[in-house]
Amino acid sequence: SQTIHQWPATLVQPVGSPLSLECTVEGTSNPNLYWYRQAAGRGLQLLFYSVGIGQISSEVPQNLSASRPQDRQFILSSKKLLLSDSGFYLCAWSVRGVGEQYFGPGTRLTVT
Amino acid sequence: AQKVTQAQTEISVVEKEDVTLDCVYETRDTTYYLFWYKQPPSGELVFLIRRNSFDEQNEISGRYSWNFQKSTSSFNFTITASQVVDSAVYFCALNSGGYQKVTFGTGTKLQVIP
Repeated sequence: SQTIHQWPATLVQPVGSPLSLECTVEGTSNPNLYWYRQAAGRGLQLLFYSVGIGQISSEVPQNLSASRPQDRQFILSSKKLLLSDSGFYLCAWSVRGVGEQYFGPGTRLTVT
Repeated sequence: AQKVTQAQTEISVVEKEDVTLDCVYETRDTTYYLFWYKQPPSGELVFLIRRNSFDEQNEISGRYSWNFQKSTSSFNFTITASQVVDSAVYFCALNSGGYQKVTFGTGTKLQVIP
């Protein structure tokens, strides 16, 4: 069966510090991968998605970036965090083409 | 362009009551897919159902049922005999046009009061 992992579960970082969130998927090949952010009490905002290694589509211009160094690994990064980067970050995967997305447990990021 | 509207921001019901969560979508494509997700307080989104645009048959899964009506562009979700464990935020979502991304509604927060 397929499993998606995210870490860390929670993170508190000062403004201006770097960020690296990692997501890995097990039990499937060539998945589509997604990064979402959810502000407190708000809906989901798609940040990045990837249909293959090295292929990243950005939905919202900001100080975040994403990379997919391996087929089942998706990394969200920032060189300098802003207060507005606080939120709940969710990674998700789906089968190629149209399919439902399966989400990881999420990372709660607080920028202080 | 895709759009999903969940007009109900928050709903409170007493346990054992039935509740319907509304979802209205917009797309120009004839082939599309609709989804419902549940987000409990723990935060992880849980996939509930997928519906294809060419299949308007309603679906029932235990206490959950879904009513898909293309004529009104709606995909409503009903929970029968609600329970406290149903308390969560529910998201409706749409994928159309062969795009790899999904458009989510803003979510409906359901509170079931014991």
